[in-house]
Amino acid sequence: DSGVTQTPKHLITATGQRVTLRCSPRSGDLSVYWYQQSLDQGLQFLIQYYNGEERAKGNILERFSAQQFPDLHSELNLSSLELGDSALYFCASSVDSRHYNEQFFGPGTRLTVL
Amino acid sequence: GNSVTQMEGPVTLSEEAFLTINCTYTATGYPSLFWYVQYPGEGLQLLLKATKADDKGSNKGFEATYRKETTSFHLEKGSVQVSDSAVYFCALSDQDAGGTSYGKLTFGQGTILTVHP
Repeated sequence: DSGVTQTPKHLITATGQRVTLRCSPRSGDLSVYWYQQSLDQGLQFLIQYYNGEERAKGNILERFSAQQFPDLHSELNLSSLELGDSALYFCASSVDSRHYNEQFFGPGTRLTVL
Repeated sequence: GNSVTQMEGPVTLSEEAFLTINCTYTATGYPSLFWYVQYPGEGLQLLLKATKADDKGSNKGFEATYRKETTSFHLEKGSVQVSDSAVYFCALSDQDAGGTSYGKLTFGQGTILTVHP
């Protein structure tokens, strides 16, 4: 158990819908990262937050957005869903983002868009 | 930009066989290198890491050496077990000369390892 929790574990929805994925980082970790794992694209970095502020952006679509709340949990919002958004979404957390430190991964949320 | 290339898989071995999974990288700064493992139905776990050239990371019998001259970080294990069956990812986190990390991980495509009794 990494200490990072993600809910829900599975999500099945239809095209055009909007969903919210939730992540609670390890106690004491200030930085949260979101990654997408799909068969065609592999594991890709989406976005990073540090202590409530956006720190870095990767290959995140405009239909996707995220935020980190004062209690440090983070939510990834996916809207106008398409079939190609079906993937495993991982959250990871680390103590700091300014220096190297290990990222701990949650178990993931599997999103299926029908 | 940064990239990581892993050997094409899947890899199928018999128990106690020697394992090598090749990984090469390109990076603009001074990357730290990692191997992560993903067991079925689980998230990624850090297996080992190396933060500078010539460092050797090791854990649970797995080893990898950071080779700057060949931009490689190959994973090896002398004797694999059935319990090692998983997907293995090579990854890098770039940083500048001052040691400031850019945080995000860039992953290879993953190598599926299956070990038979």
